[in-house]
Amino acid sequence: QQQVKQSPQSLIVQKGGISIINCAYENTAFDYFPWYQQFPGKGPALLIAIRPDVSEKKEGRFTISFNKSAKQFSLHIMDSQPGDSATYFCAASKASNTGKLIFGQGTTLQVKP
Amino acid sequence: ETGVTQSPTHLIKTRGQQVTLRCSSQSGHNTVSWYQQALGQGPQFIFQYYREEENGRGNFPPRFSGLQFPNYSSELNVNALELDDSALYLCASSPEHTTTDTQYFGPGTRLTVL
Repeated sequence: QQQVKQSPQSLIVQKGGISIINCAYENTAFDYFPWYQQFPGKGPALLIAIRPDVSEKKEGRFTISFNKSAKQFSLHIMDSQPGDSATYFCAASKASNTGKLIFGQGTTLQVKP
Repeated sequence: ETGVTQSPTHLIKTRGQQVTLRCSSQSGHNTVSWYQQALGQGPQFIFQYYREEENGRGNFPPRFSGLQFPNYSSELNVNALELDDSALYLCASSPEHTTTDTQYFGPGTRLTVL
């Protein structure tokens, strides 16, 4: 059962462009939505996270947009850089499930110089 | 501050064997979660340990078991290995077991079952 669906599977962006990755979730009980970045040979690292009481959160070049009614959230990477080339995962969890993160399938981002 | 460490880095086993993977949590963290990441997929939650007790389990059979020690390090044991168990096994630690705490992931153990 895929509770968090992520798209696209892969993305190629030119340096300086905007990268957009989308996720949709099914369970309305989810109340924590983090995005993780994973480089080859490394574990995932938290980029940015949002809770459903806000519609947008920005940290540097990274912004999460959240649409509670549509059960969708997205990651925007502004001014994309070659160093941003990695696999990005969205995830969701609910407070009653004590830290169990449900991950999307991942998006491989390539930023061309 | 030392991050999450895992050992071994890589492991090759044959079907039917048993394996133990190890994780040292980040200093000051009392909660450890284990995830399985198949190639090209997102991590899947196996279980979580909080203060040496299992505190939540994903959809994995009982042959996946774990332990947490008084120093909060943890082991993942898998019995009767199957080919589909081939994956990257990730350990994540957090200061507490609430969802708002960031989970810090280790580099993982790559398990290959032949």
